[in-house]
Amino acid sequence: DSGVTQTPKHLITATGQRVTLRCSPRSGDLSVYWYQQSLDQGLQFLIQYYNGEERAKGNILERFSAQQFPDLHSELNLSSLELGDSALYFCASSVDRGVGELFFGEGSRLTVL
Amino acid sequence: KNQVEQSPQSLIILEGKNCTLQCNYTVSPFSNLRWYKQDTGRGPVSLTIMTFSENTKSNGRYTATLDADTKQSSLHITASQLSDSASYICVVTRQSGGYNKLIFGAGTRLAVHP
Repeated sequence: DSGVTQTPKHLITATGQRVTLRCSPRSGDLSVYWYQQSLDQGLQFLIQYYNGEERAKGNILERFSAQQFPDLHSELNLSSLELGDSALYFCASSVDRGVGELFFGEGSRLTVL
Repeated sequence: KNQVEQSPQSLIILEGKNCTLQCNYTVSPFSNLRWYKQDTGRGPVSLTIMTFSENTKSNGRYTATLDADTKQSSLHITASQLSDSASYICVVTRQSGGYNKLIFGAGTRLAVHP
């Protein structure tokens, strides 16, 4: 158990819909990262937050948005969903700004039908 | 361009055999290099993390090496077990001001057969 909690574990929805994925980092970790992993693909970095502020952006679509709340949990919002958004979405956390150990959650599997 | 290349893309070995996975990178400036194990459908789990000054680091049957001069790393798995079947991901951290960027390799998919 990495200490990073992601909910929901599985989500099935239809095209055009909007979903929210939630991540609770390890206790004491200030950085939260979001990654997308499509079937048989590598991890694609989406976005990083540090202590409530956005710090780095990767290949995140405009239809996607995220935020980190004062209690340090984070949410990833995916809207106007397309079939190609079906993927595993991982959250990771670290205590610092990216030098130290990164701990991953078990992911949220999104299926868009 | 900051890239991490892993080879082979996939590998099949017999249980009990050893294997070595390769990682070449062009990331600069370099901060550290990590190896992760990812079981299918699960989150990646850290195996090792090495800084510039570290040449070798072990974690049980996993031994990672780093040659910062040639910008190469390897992950050696000794006496493989069926549970070693997974994807192994090399990640290089690039220094970027006060924040660091993680550059992911595409991974090597290892299958250990009985």
